Amino acid sequence: AQSVSQHNHHVILSEAASLELGCNYSYGGTVNLFWYVQYPGQHLQLLLKYFSGDPLVKGIKGFEAEFIKSKFSFNLRKPSVQWSDTAEYFCAVNADTGKLIFGQGTTLQVKP
Amino acid sequence: GAVVSQHPSRVICKSGTSVKIECRSLDFQATTMFWYRQFPKQSLMLMATSNEGSKATYEQGVEKDKFLINHASLTLSTLTVTSAHPEDSSFYICSASPPGITKNIQYFGAGTRLSVL
Repeated sequence: AQSVSQHNHHVILSEAASLELGCNYSYGGTVNLFWYVQYPGQHLQLLLKYFSGDPLVKGIKGFEAEFIKSKFSFNLRKPSVQWSDTAEYFCAVNADTGKLIFGQGTTLQVKP
Repeated sequence: GAVVSQHPSRVICKSGTSVKIECRSLDFQATTMFWYRQFPKQSLMLMATSNEGSKATYEQGVEKDKFLINHASLTLSTLTVTSAHPEDSSFYICSASPPGITKNIQYFGAGTRLSVL
């Protein structure tokens, strides 16, 4: 069965610090990978996605993620976070079935 | 584009009553919609996959007679929590996938906070 693991449950950073959130999945076949963000009181929004091609994908708001197939990883990065990045971040995977499997989520708190 | 509307955003009901939650794709047709449940400080758990014109596919452990799903049109799916009890209190979220090459992208509604007294 597919599973998704996010290593960091709660991250606290100061503004301008660099961010990397880990995500690993377990599935041996072809996968589609996603990062979603949930700002306080708002719905889930798609940050970025990987289907195929360049393993380094860029998303909205300066976020990027790198798919490393050999490590079954899809870590999210941002060089310099802002206070407005405070949110819950979810990594998700599907194996072309349409069903998304979510990680546990990471709460990011950015201090001004 | 790709806006999903969910209604109501919050509902409080008495134990034993039924509650209906609507999920609409506003600017695209969604052959597939999904219903999730999110517990506090936890991730989204898929409850069921709703396909237009056919029966929903429920995940293991989800009572189909408890959580009735209807997907009568390409833009509307409903989740009815029947005979709700306090343990059904949760945050319910729907999502919808457009057809075609973007079919694996899900767009989410804002969620419905259900509180059963």
